[in-house]
Amino acid sequence: DGGITQSPKYLFRKEGQNVTLSCEQNLNHDAMYWYRQDPGQGLRLIYYSQIVNDFQKGDIAEGYSVSREKKESFPLTVTSAQKNPTAFYLCASSMKRGPQPQHFGDGTRLSIL
Amino acid sequence: GESVGLHLPTLSVQEGDNSIINCAYSNSASDYFIWYKQESGKGPQFIIDIRSNMDKRQGQRVTVLLNKTVKHLSLQIAATQPGDSAVYFCAETEGFKTIFGAGTRLFVKA
Repeated sequence: DGGITQSPKYLFRKEGQNVTLSCEQNLNHDAMYWYRQDPGQGLRLIYYSQIVNDFQKGDIAEGYSVSREKKESFPLTVTSAQKNPTAFYLCASSMKRGPQPQHFGDGTRLSIL
Repeated sequence: GESVGLHLPTLSVQEGDNSIINCAYSNSASDYFIWYKQESGKGPQFIIDIRSNMDKRQGQRVTVLLNKTVKHLSLQIAATQPGDSAVYFCAETEGFKTIFGAGTRLFVKA
């Protein structure tokens, strides 16, 4: 079945450590997104990519970095500069960016040790 | 379970009853709207969408109503089942900008 796979499901970060969250899709979608979900809040956009080798900052990009070397893959690195990284991170994709449904993975929960 | 549903409005319905979940959106220029369902520990799943040139759209057991005058969106679920228990949230899109609501937690009592 086509879909989006995020790994790992749970991740723990130590102080000063960078961690990378994986996101792979086999839907042949051009656009991919990373969101952060905190309790009681709507999804907030961290980064998005409309095409391979191109990505743009979203609303809360500080302390995060991404790459888009392959169409299928859009990994997110949470750097030590992100002082409040504990959250549920969701990766999504869509055919193109714009007014259409986004397909989501099942998320990675990041916690601080 | 996941804590994403904490501090959300809650709707509790009896199994078999109809559910109505409401969403007030913020941007009068938004022209595309989606409802998502998110179960505990999972990612959001698409339920139904509607464009601003429509007032109503029906799917299987679900209906979305759009009132642009008061910027209000609602999701109606017919004959609610225990498997419908989840957090439901709306999203509004204008061009390339999408804003997601925090959601409503639906409890279905057997």
